[in-house]
Amino acid sequence: DIQMTQSPSSLSASAGDTITISCRASHNISFFLNWYQQKPGRTPELLISAASILHSGVPKRFSGSGSGTDFTLTISSLQLEDVATYYCQQSYSVFTFGGGTKVEF
Amino acid sequence: QVQLVQSGGAVVQPGGSLRLSCAASGFTFSNFGMHWVRQAPGKGLEWVAYIWYDASNSYYEDSVKGRFTISRDSSKNMVFLQMNSLGAEDTAVYYCARNADRGYPPAPYFDHWGQGTLVTVSS
Repeated sequence: DIQMTQSPSSLSASAGDTITISCRASHNISFFLNWYQQKPGRTPELLISAASILHSGVPKRFSGSGSGTDFTLTISSLQLEDVATYYCQQSYSVFTFGGGTKVEF
Repeated sequence: QVQLVQSGGAVVQPGGSLRLSCAASGFTFSNFGMHWVRQAPGKGLEWVAYIWYDASNSYYEDSVKGRFTISRDSSKNMVFLQMNSLGAEDTAVYYCARNADRGYPPAPYFDHWGQGTLVTVSS
């Protein structure tokens, strides 16, 4: 089984900051990595697929990078509406989510 | 627009059974695989099960293998999760989600989610 480890588990930031969230896979997953955002009390939403492809309608301040085992989600010019928990997910071998990163102000 | 409307959540006793439903609309259901994902209270997301677009294959997370069954009825545009031998560890909000993919080889992702339905296993 492929394990996904996110770091940090939580972070506090301010409006306008640039933040990065890391995701590490226990095996090489090539580019089979997705990112989701879950706002408090809401359903998860897709942000990025295939490591770096921004989903339709997602603001351009979100970006993804990486391949193999190490991946990064970057949010630039952080806004209040970005308060949420962010999950990475591998889709190389069935599916596994990371533990999540809670972003707070 | 794509809609996934869920039903079936309930309080069930340990050892009991429950069937969750997810009604799809706004897209050609028979062209897409479907997933179930769960989230225990205050915890992260956990993928549970996946069924191919044509129901020819299904896959399960290890802890639910042999207890849960995913199925679909393309004549009704619905996907189901039959859950048996439920335990406290199955208490969670369950989401259905549509599978999409891009590129070659196809890289899957979950592009639309249902609203979630709560399953509570308690005596």
